[in-house]
Amino acid sequence: AQSVAQPEDQVNVAEGNPLTVKCTYSVSGNPYLFWYVQYPNRGLQFLLKYITGDNLVKGSYGFEAEFNKSQTSFHLKKPSALVSDSALYFCAVRDMGTGFQKLVFGTGTRLLVSP
Amino acid sequence: GAGVSQSPRYKVAKRGQDVALRCDPISGHVSLFWYQQALGQGPEFLTYFQNEAQLDKSGLPSDRFFAERPEGSVSTLKIQRTQQEDSAVYLCASSFQGERTEAFFGQGTRLTVV
Repeated sequence: AQSVAQPEDQVNVAEGNPLTVKCTYSVSGNPYLFWYVQYPNRGLQFLLKYITGDNLVKGSYGFEAEFNKSQTSFHLKKPSALVSDSALYFCAVRDMGTGFQKLVFGTGTRLLVSP
Repeated sequence: GAGVSQSPRYKVAKRGQDVALRCDPISGHVSLFWYQQALGQGPEFLTYFQNEAQLDKSGLPSDRFFAERPEGSVSTLKIQRTQQEDSAVYLCASSFQGERTEAFFGQGTRLTVV
């Protein structure tokens, strides 16, 4: 079965510094990977996805993610963090095993950006 | 509508009560998913519809959970005889068909069973 792991429960970074939120994946076949962000009392908002092609994927709000096949990682990055980026971030992988394309989510990483 | 709409936003149910949660997906989206998110956890898959057909219900935790999408648009998740462990946020998502497409989520329904 497909799965993703987010090894950090929380990431702390100062405003203006670069941020990285880690995600590793385990899949059979081609990985279809996604990042979502969740603000308090809100649903999940799509940030970006990797399907194929360029290993560096650019998404919403200045976020990007780097796909690394050899390390089976898909880390989320941003060159300069904002306080407003503080939220819960989820990595997800498309589970192709059943053929019905459900997303399997990680446990989430809380990002806290301090002023 | 512009996004996925879920109602009610909040629901408090007494243990043993039946509840119905509604999801109105983005117009034209063939795929519809229900997820359950416990406090501090990632969303867990419940069930999947392609149009009106329920193709995967492997995540439904018990036979007290039932979902339908009779006309291939609005979906309802019903929980019978609610238990305290059913307390969670229930998220609905919709997408175009295909493994390359992203899913768009509603704001969720927070269910509290007392």
